[in-house]
Amino acid sequence: DTGVSQNPRHKITKRGQNVTFRCDPISEHNRLYWYRQTLGQGPEFLTYFQNEAQLEKSRLLSDRFSAERPKGSFSTLEIQRTEQGDSAMYLCASSLKGENTEAFFGQGTRLTVV
Amino acid sequence: GDSVTQMEGPVTLSEEAFLTINCTYTATGYPSLFWYVQYPGEGLQLLLKATKADDKGSNKGFEATYRKETTSFHLEKGSVQVSDSAVYFCALSAAGNNRKLIWGLGTSLAVNP
Repeated sequence: DTGVSQNPRHKITKRGQNVTFRCDPISEHNRLYWYRQTLGQGPEFLTYFQNEAQLEKSRLLSDRFSAERPKGSFSTLEIQRTEQGDSAMYLCASSLKGENTEAFFGQGTRLTVV
Repeated sequence: GDSVTQMEGPVTLSEEAFLTINCTYTATGYPSLFWYVQYPGEGLQLLLKATKADDKGSNKGFEATYRKETTSFHLEKGSVQVSDSAVYFCALSAAGNNRKLIWGLGTSLAVNP
């Protein structure tokens, strides 16, 4: 297994367009997380899946954001009607279920909204 | 709510200098504590962790001890190398079923030869 994979690595889009990012977690991991990181800040939690169920969504996740994890494998994060404030690094992480399991991170998708 | 406060950077050291990056936390219950590192152009990697009070996490010469009485998890290394130049993040894993991570702002470290 090559770890957590995210695509694309970079995305430049015009304001108002929709974008979709993909995350492929480590295959046996049932937990999957999305975080957002802006320059000079630590990551901020967006949402969490256990298998295919989305169990928690941050208040940061406005109704323009939607995430799915069909079949409990890969996940997608879609942003509709992008705004300049959406420009950030979007990080995906996965882990096994358990008390003290390590979260493994992908390299992220850097979104620039112009 | 839960939060993490870590020392602001950037930190610039000479090779072989001693490193301390301070991290304190606020949490309900008993979180697990982590240090992650982000090397230039790479993703976040777990550096070390501690899951209960007085535990010491260690890896690659770095150490941090979970201090419940001072709610701290300071990162230390006795002799830094140029290859340690990176951004270091302190994080806690919230109590509960989802184990999401709450992060500090990150501390940039530059080590000069």
